[in-house]
Amino acid sequence: EVRLVQSGAEVKKPGESLRISCKGSGYNFTTHWITWVRQMPGKGLEWMGRIDPSDSYADYSPSFQGHVTISSDDSINTAYLQWSTLRASDTAIYYCARLMGRQFTYAYDYWGQGTLVTVSS
Amino acid sequence: SYVLTQPPSVSVAPGKTARITCGGNNIGSKSVHWYQQKPGQAPVLVISSDSDRPSGIPERFSGSNSGNTATLTISRVEAGDEADYYCHVWDSSSDQVFGGGTKLTVL
Repeated sequence: EVRLVQSGAEVKKPGESLRISCKGSGYNFTTHWITWVRQMPGKGLEWMGRIDPSDSYADYSPSFQGHVTISSDDSINTAYLQWSTLRASDTAIYYCARLMGRQFTYAYDYWGQGTLVTVSS
Repeated sequence: SYVLTQPPSVSVAPGKTARITCGGNNIGSKSVHWYQQKPGQAPVLVISSDSDRPSGIPERFSGSNSGNTATLTISRVEAGDEADYYCHVWDSSSDQVFGGGTKLTVL
C-alpha cells in the first residue's frame, strides 16, 4: 500500500526556522516526483514546488522561490520542506503528494495527511 | 499566467446530478485532474487525465473536457459527496495550476 506520512503539527514564532517531512512507503520512492502544496486557512490549494528523489533536483513556483527549500533523502524515503525565516503568513496546512508518472502533466495520486504549521508571536 | 475558474459553490439534491465546471483558455488541449477534499482531510484524486477514474472511486464520478471548459459530473449524489472539489492542470507557462475550488452542498 502506497503511503505518504507527514510529520506532526508545529507552532513557531516569526523568524524561526522549521523543517517538516514526508515519508513514503509501499513503492520505489525514487521513481516518483514529490510535490508540496500549501493550503492557507479557509483557502484553496497552491503549488509550491517539487523534487525528484532520484537526484534531489528541485524546482519551485515563483511565488515560493527563495522562501522555502525542498530536499530529499532517498536512503530514508523522505522529502522535506524547510524555512529559514518563518513569517506569520506561513501559517497553513502543507501537503506532500506523489506525482503519478514522470510527466508534469500527470495527477497527484497519493497525498500525505497534511502538516499544520502555525506561526505566531 | 494560466487561470482556472471554478464556481465557488454548487448545490444539488440527493439523487440528482451535480456538474462542477472548470474554465480555462483552451483547457480542452490540457489534461485535467479533479480532487475531492472533505473538511479536515487531505485531497483525494477522483478523476485524472480528463476522465480516468482511479481505483476505488465510484462510477458515479465522471469527467469531460472540451473547448474552454472541463466538467466533473457526479451522478446520483449522496450526502457523503459533500466536499470541496478542485481542478488541476499543468500549463507550459505557469506549471502546476489549481482552480479556486468549488464547495458542493447536498441539500
